[in-house]
Amino acid sequence: GQQLNQSPQSMFIQEGEDVSMNCTSSSIFNTWLWYKQDPGEGPVLLIALYKAGELTSNGRLTAQFGITRKDSFLNISASIPSDVGIYFCAGPFQSGSARQLTFGSGTQLTVLP
Amino acid sequence: DSGVTQTPKHLITATGQRVTLRCSPRSGDLSVYWYQQSLDQGLQFLIQYYNGEERAKGNILERFSAQQFPDLHSELNLSSLELGDSALYFCASSASIRGDTEAFFGQGTRLTVV
Repeated sequence: GQQLNQSPQSMFIQEGEDVSMNCTSSSIFNTWLWYKQDPGEGPVLLIALYKAGELTSNGRLTAQFGITRKDSFLNISASIPSDVGIYFCAGPFQSGSARQLTFGSGTQLTVLP
Repeated sequence: DSGVTQTPKHLITATGQRVTLRCSPRSGDLSVYWYQQSLDQGLQFLIQYYNGEERAKGNILERFSAQQFPDLHSELNLSSLELGDSALYFCASSASIRGDTEAFFGQGTRLTVV
């Protein structure tokens, strides 16, 4: 079946450190999206990727669309306390006659002072 | 603020009951998506409506139904509630008919079934 694997499941890092997380898919994607969810809130879109090999930045965040089109990476540089939250990757899987966003299981990030 | 509004924010109800969750999409967005987020299942796609018509269905139970009204707001109806239906329910919206593009999420409704 269709699978979207996200790792690591959780990370504990010191403030100021860089962070890297990734997602792999069992299918080829034409879109990769990265979201962040704060406690009690809805997911917020961070970065959208639409082309294999694409590297896109949003402040201290950088995401890449893997050239195999089956993976994506999110890097956070110089982490700060407000980076705490759950980071989700998402990509399109077939749902009946249409393609729908499917989300990874999330990476829980904790930033220690 | 994503521009997507969900009400209520919290809901506590008993098993066997029926509830309605409401969503107002971002201004101009024609697509509305409903997701369920539980601890053990992550974010699961339930259903998509586009301009009033059902567009795609995910793993939505038969006890659950949704609709999108002419003013584009949407409602998710959950009936014969079970303890396992306790979860966060999110609505998202986008301008596209496609289900695989950027979507903007509301703050969710936390449903607790007791």
